[in-house]
Amino acid sequence: DQQVKQNSPSLSVQEGRISILNCDYTNSMFDYFLWYKKYPAEGPTFLISISSIKDKNEDGRFTVFLNKSAKHLSLHIVPSQPGDSAVYFCAASDGGGANSKLTFGKGITLSVRP
Amino acid sequence: EADIYQTPRYLVIGTGKKITLECSQTMGHDKMYWYQQDPGMELHLIHYSYGVNSTEKGDLSSESTVSRIRTEHFPLTLESARPSHTSQYLCASKGISYEQYFGPGTRLTVT
Repeated sequence: DQQVKQNSPSLSVQEGRISILNCDYTNSMFDYFLWYKKYPAEGPTFLISISSIKDKNEDGRFTVFLNKSAKHLSLHIVPSQPGDSAVYFCAASDGGGANSKLTFGKGITLSVRP
Repeated sequence: EADIYQTPRYLVIGTGKKITLECSQTMGHDKMYWYQQDPGMELHLIHYSYGVNSTEKGDLSSESTVSRIRTEHFPLTLESARPSHTSQYLCASKGISYEQYFGPGTRLTVT
């Protein structure tokens, strides 16, 4: 059973507009959440993260929101740029501290139209 | 910037061959991981290591094996490749923070 769900496989937005990528999880033991960006034929690169004790983290154009009661997080990209076109993975840490492992969603393919 | 390397980047090999995928990192991280990922699917953890001489199987059953003789090196071996092993293999390492840093991956095709 998938513990991290990215239910929308793709998203297309116009350059300059906001991109909102959603992620849901089922395991209440998850204590830290991360977003990764992946281009074809490359490895994922870390983008932004958030601890379960916070509800928002911002880094430049990227903001992650966490709604712990709804077990939902979202990544906002404002403004979206064509170079943001990639697959975005949501990942959750299992609360294992230094020995934690990550559980990944299936990813969302973002296309930013010029 | 994370320094983690994987070779080869691409490999096409026949059924029954033995292969080793290399992964090295220069960050001194104790923890290293191997994932398998297919298009449109999540990353599946197949092996991990918490340090030298420590290896564990991940959540996804895999016919591959790993070794960790040196901190910086975490190779993955398939004794007899099959078409079902065709996939992208991603290596990652982690320090004291939550973030895992990934290598560029190896795209394996078994014919």
